[in-house]
Amino acid sequence: GQSLEQPSEVTAVEGAIVQINCTYQTSGFYGLSWYQQHDGGAPTFLSYNALDGLEETGRFSSFLSRSDSYGYLLLQELQMKDSASYFCAVRDVFNKFYFGSGTKLNVKP
Amino acid sequence: EAQVTQNPRYLITVTGKKLTVTCSQNMNHEYMSWYRQDPGLGLRQIYYSMNVEVTDKGDVPEGYKVSRKEKRNFPLILESPSPNQTSLYFCASRGLAGGEEQYFGPGTRLTVT
Repeated sequence: GQSLEQPSEVTAVEGAIVQINCTYQTSGFYGLSWYQQHDGGAPTFLSYNALDGLEETGRFSSFLSRSDSYGYLLLQELQMKDSASYFCAVRDVFNKFYFGSGTKLNVKP
Repeated sequence: EAQVTQNPRYLITVTGKKLTVTCSQNMNHEYMSWYRQDPGLGLRQIYYSMNVEVTDKGDVPEGYKVSRKEKRNFPLILESPSPNQTSLYFCASRGLAGGEEQYFGPGTRLTVT
């Protein structure tokens, strides 16, 4: 199986930049995805890295390094509405999905 | 509107009483999946389906059944629910030609007493 580790909680102030890390142990996967989930809501897709490097989507960027078994989600210009849980996920070669346990981001004014 | 729907949204039942949670998507997606979410454990995949009549076990399939008789529907069946299946359940779908994004339903909160 796969194992993905994330910090359980991160706190940052409005307007700041925060990085949420994801380290993984996997025998083979297609790429690293990130999802956002607000309290009481469903997960929504944020980004996907198939290859090593940085992918940018507006205020959010995601990075993958396969050689380091590591990825991160970078959120810039934090807003109160970014307070949510963030999950990294991989799809293995059998098309099974594995998610990390999630990082709760608290944005303070 | 492109969406994944689940029913019911909330369900309280007793141990051993068979139940079915329905999932339907209107995006013609090939891939459908069920997850359970428990505090501190993230999302864990129960079963997934690559297309009609093709289903496979995810990470935590014990105590669950699924079927995929139509492309749009992927019901989750608990034949004899137990209290350890109390959880928040999400159905999701993904188009195989549309990238990696999974679209999640609104969730079903199940309590088994």
